[in-house]
Amino acid sequence: QKEVEQDPGPLSVPEGAIVSLNCTYSNSAFQYFMWYRQYSRKGPELLMYTYSSGNKEDGRFTAQVDKSSKYISLFIRDSQPSDSATYLCAMSAGNQFYFGTGTSLTVIP
Amino acid sequence: DTGVSQDPRHKITKRGQNVTFRCDPISEHNRLYWYRQTLGQGPEFLTYFQNEAQLEKSRLLSDRFSAERPKGSFSTLEIQRTEQGDSAMYLCASSLARGGRTYNEQFFGPGTRLTVL
Repeated sequence: QKEVEQDPGPLSVPEGAIVSLNCTYSNSAFQYFMWYRQYSRKGPELLMYTYSSGNKEDGRFTAQVDKSSKYISLFIRDSQPSDSATYLCAMSAGNQFYFGTGTSLTVIP
Repeated sequence: DTGVSQDPRHKITKRGQNVTFRCDPISEHNRLYWYRQTLGQGPEFLTYFQNEAQLEKSRLLSDRFSAERPKGSFSTLEIQRTEQGDSAMYLCASSLARGGRTYNEQFFGPGTRLTVL
């Protein structure tokens, strides 16, 4: 079983839609939960990170962590064509870092 | 540009050759990380340094892989006797460690794309 599971998509939505991206994980030791955005042939860019359970909001982005269910989510409101990218969840425990496979998102104008 | 830089951006080599990649972190960052990313997959953590100390290397893929950060600034990742399965994007990231937190925001470089023929 992989440490982090993420549906690779692809996901295609119309401009203005609310996007929901999700990951599940198996290691209860994970403490930090991150979401990265990666454009083609570029390095990942950190969008948000949270420590332990709860919600965090930053502009159009909301990250949720449910440690009891080992489930994290990223919501994108009012999605824009510029949001088209691959979204990676990532988690860390101590000196170990794990990424999901990434979900490819396309926002259609 | 004060971001993370990596050199070369692309490397084509023949099977069995050794390759070395360089990463220059953001200047004030004391942590440096190496990842491998294959097509359609997320980055796979390999190793990381705090200053010149290599704090985690258990996930280097084999003994053909080694990394150094001799003066706590730039780092090199070397792959000896390359195999076709080593073809991937090799990403470097850096962060500024603060207090007792084990996670600090990682800033990624553009990566080095390796092709082994």
